Amino acid sequence: DAGVIQSPRHEVTEMGQEVTLRCKPISGHDYLFWYRQTMMRGLELLIYFNNNVPIDDSGMPEDRFSAKMPNASFSTLKIQPSEPRDSAVYFCASSFGSGNTIYFGEGSWLTVV
Amino acid sequence: KNQVEQSPQSLIILEGKNCTLQCNYTVSPFSNLRWYKQDTGRGPVSLTIMTFSENTKSNGRYTATLDADTKQSSLHITASQLSDSASYICVVSPNSGGYQKVTFGIGTKLQVIP
Repeated sequence: DAGVIQSPRHEVTEMGQEVTLRCKPISGHDYLFWYRQTMMRGLELLIYFNNNVPIDDSGMPEDRFSAKMPNASFSTLKIQPSEPRDSAVYFCASSFGSGNTIYFGEGSWLTVV
Repeated sequence: KNQVEQSPQSLIILEGKNCTLQCNYTVSPFSNLRWYKQDTGRGPVSLTIMTFSENTKSNGRYTATLDADTKQSSLHITASQLSDSASYICVVSPNSGGYQKVTFGIGTKLQVIP
């Protein structure tokens, strides 16, 4: 299995630009998660989906952030407009069934200048 | 607020030596506790998972222990190898509240030197 696949791995963008991060979960997994990791706050859950339906987006910092999951094999996290404080590593993860092991992707390293 | 505190923040040890990482949590009631290993530039990978009724769980040279009474867990690494250099993250899940209530520690950064 290829694991959770994220793109891009690295992105540097200017403040105000739109950023789109992409994720392909492990085939057959019914839960998909978006996390943000920073040195100061560690890993934080932004939003998660179950069977392509957003279940809890209370971790999304503000309206500039949005996430979609149009089908079982694809999800996007969009930041518009981006700000320097959005600089972080964004991880997509997936799991099969509630409470089971969560498998993380390699992350998308975002720098907003 | 649920918290997970890990210590030390960072640690340097010689290859072949043992080490123990600590995790204290306030999450209650508690469902399970996981340890993840995160290599630099990679995503976290699950090492062990323990429910409240389990005291110890091993995965090769990694042994996790849990004391639910004192709300403490430790991760012991035996005969460390250079490849053990990574961050180790303690993750605690409560009985209720869903995934948003799962609390991640900041992690302990371990460096194993020759």
